[in-house]
Amino acid sequence: EVQLLESGGALVQPGGSLRLSCAASGFIFSTYAMSWVRQAPGRGLEWVSTIRDSGGSTFYADSVKGRFTISRDNSKNTLYLQMNSLRAEDTALYYCVKESSGTSYGGFPHWGQGTLVTVSS
Amino acid sequence: DVVMTQSPLSLPVTLGQPASISCRSSQSLVYSDGNTYLNWFQQRPGQSPRRLIYKVSNRDSGVPDRFSGSGSGTDFTLNISRVEAEDVGVYYCMQNTHWPLTFGGGTKVEIK
Repeated sequence: EVQLLESGGALVQPGGSLRLSCAASGFIFSTYAMSWVRQAPGRGLEWVSTIRDSGGSTFYADSVKGRFTISRDNSKNTLYLQMNSLRAEDTALYYCVKESSGTSYGGFPHWGQGTLVTVSS
Repeated sequence: DVVMTQSPLSLPVTLGQPASISCRSSQSLVYSDGNTYLNWFQQRPGQSPRRLIYKVSNRDSGVPDRFSGSGSGTDFTLNISRVEAEDVGVYYCMQNTHWPLTFGGGTKVEIK
């Protein structure tokens, strides 16, 4: 059974940094692309970033480009999202999402439970 | 960016009756490989999203057959043949043909 366990969410001041982690199990992590999708309180879904199976290709929404960095450690079955220069509008529940294959993007068949990031002074 | 427009915003339905959600994209979602990458997700209250339909009309494993997807090009529909109480929630369409990946704004399904 696919399991995705996010962690690292916290209350952080504007301009601060945070690193989210997603521990994956139940599948061969190194053979699947992974993504982060966020949902601001009471709002809809917004794609944030995607990384292919090898980590060799990464993709970002314009709203986070240059501030966020997606990465993965296939030896630890873990996905990361390094978030710098945080803004109030980054406040959201961040979901870790498993893709359908190593190089297919946006299928989003499996979702974690999310970790909450709150940016406020 | 491809804008995904869903309607209606809110959909009150009677148990056992059909429901239909529309999703329109600002550009064709047909990819160069001939496939159309349009998904539908259900988000029940307090839960993570769950994919129901991928590539317009393919139902995910475990999804009841009362859910069906249809459409082509820029115009898509999610149909629920007979709404049940467990179908309450917000439904999102999403395209993964073009970067950046984009979601519709959501349609809230509630019981009358």
